[in-house]
Amino acid sequence: DIQMTQSPSSVSAPVGDRVTITCRASQGISTWLAWYQQKPGKAPKLLIYAASNLQSGVPSRFSGSGSGTDFALTISSLQPEDSATYYCHQASSFPHSFGQGTKVEVK
Amino acid sequence: EVQLVESGGGLVRPGGSLRLSCEGSGFTFSNYNMQWVRQAPGKGLEWVSFISGKSSSIYYAESVKGRFTISRDNANNSLYLQMSRLRDEDSAVYYCGRVAVAGIDPWGQGTLVIVSS
Repeated sequence: DIQMTQSPSSVSAPVGDRVTITCRASQGISTWLAWYQQKPGKAPKLLIYAASNLQSGVPSRFSGSGSGTDFALTISSLQPEDSATYYCHQASSFPHSFGQGTKVEVK
Repeated sequence: EVQLVESGGGLVRPGGSLRLSCEGSGFTFSNYNMQWVRQAPGKGLEWVSFISGKSSSIYYAESVKGRFTISRDNANNSLYLQMSRLRDEDSAVYYCGRVAVAGIDPWGQGTLVIVSS
């Protein structure tokens, strides 16, 4: 099974800062990776698919990169509405798996 | 508008059974693979199960294999999760999701399952 390790587990940054979250797969997954944003009491929302493709309607300050085992989600200029928990998800092979999540707080 | 709506959650005793449903609208349901993902209170996301559009491929997480059964009824745009021999650790919000390219979109609003005596 493929394990997904996300870091950091939490981050706090002021409005306008650049924030990067990383996700490492225990084996190569090509670009079969997605990123989600989840706010309290809500379902996750797809931000990035296939590692670097921005989902329609998602602000351009979000970007994804990486392939193989190392991936990153970057928020180029943090906004108050970006306070949420972010998860990576490998869809390369079954069983699928998620990272443990990164809680982003906007100061 | 593409939408998924889950139902069927509730309180059930350990060892009991429950059937979750997920109704899709706004898209051709049979053309899409579907998944279930759960989230225990205060915890992260856990992948549960996958079913292909024509039900020819089915996969389960090891934690539910042999106890949960995923199925679908394309004529009624519906996805199901039959859960049996439920345990305390199955307590979670269960989400259905449409499989997109290397991702899940959209997700349903979730249905809460509580396993407790």
